[in-house]
Amino acid sequence: KQEVTQIPAALSVPEGENLVLNCSFTDSAIYNLQWFRQDPGKGLTSLLLIQSSQREQTSGRLNASLDKSSGRSTLYIAASQPGDSATYLCAVRPGETSGSRLTFGEGTQLTVNP
Amino acid sequence: DVKVTQSSRYLVKRTGEKVFLECVQDMDHENMFWYRQDPGLGLRLIYFSYDVKMKEKGDIPEGYSVSREKKERFSLILESASTNQTSMYLCASSSFWTFYNSPLHFGNGTRLTVT
Repeated sequence: KQEVTQIPAALSVPEGENLVLNCSFTDSAIYNLQWFRQDPGKGLTSLLLIQSSQREQTSGRLNASLDKSSGRSTLYIAASQPGDSATYLCAVRPGETSGSRLTFGEGTQLTVNP
Repeated sequence: DVKVTQSSRYLVKRTGEKVFLECVQDMDHENMFWYRQDPGLGLRLIYFSYDVKMKEKGDIPEGYSVSREKKERFSLILESASTNQTSMYLCASSSFWTFYNSPLHFGNGTRLTVT
């Protein structure tokens, strides 16, 4: 059974710092991996999706990398801002069949202090 | 932009009541999903649907049912609400044709409390 772990559970940094969030998964046979952001009391917003054949994806100040063989993904946030404060979740899709379902990590709660 | 709208942000219901949670999406997506989110347990899939009138059980379907009479609307039904169904409920949708490469789009969630 696929398990997704995000460490640390919480992270607090000063504004302007570059930071890395980690996501690890136990079964490397994934189809893709997705990073989400969740603001308190709200739904999830998709940030980046990486296919299993890709090594990284970039969107603005965000860069996500994927190392399938080691079962790891990182989300790099450059020049962090207080508005980046949120919980960040990763999710993996195990395969391309119709029953393929996302497995989510529990998230890293990020606080960026002004 | 895709918009997924959940009809209620907060609901308080009594044990034993029948509860309806409604979700509507405006992007003509074929796939729709219901998750619940609990501290320490993360997001868990309750039910999903690939087309009108089609449904499949997720990981925790017990105590729930769903209805998809129209493509844009996916309803979650708690037949007889219990206190252990107090949770945040999240609806999501995605395109079938790009399903494996497209992100999920989530609604803002419904915080349900069963007393």
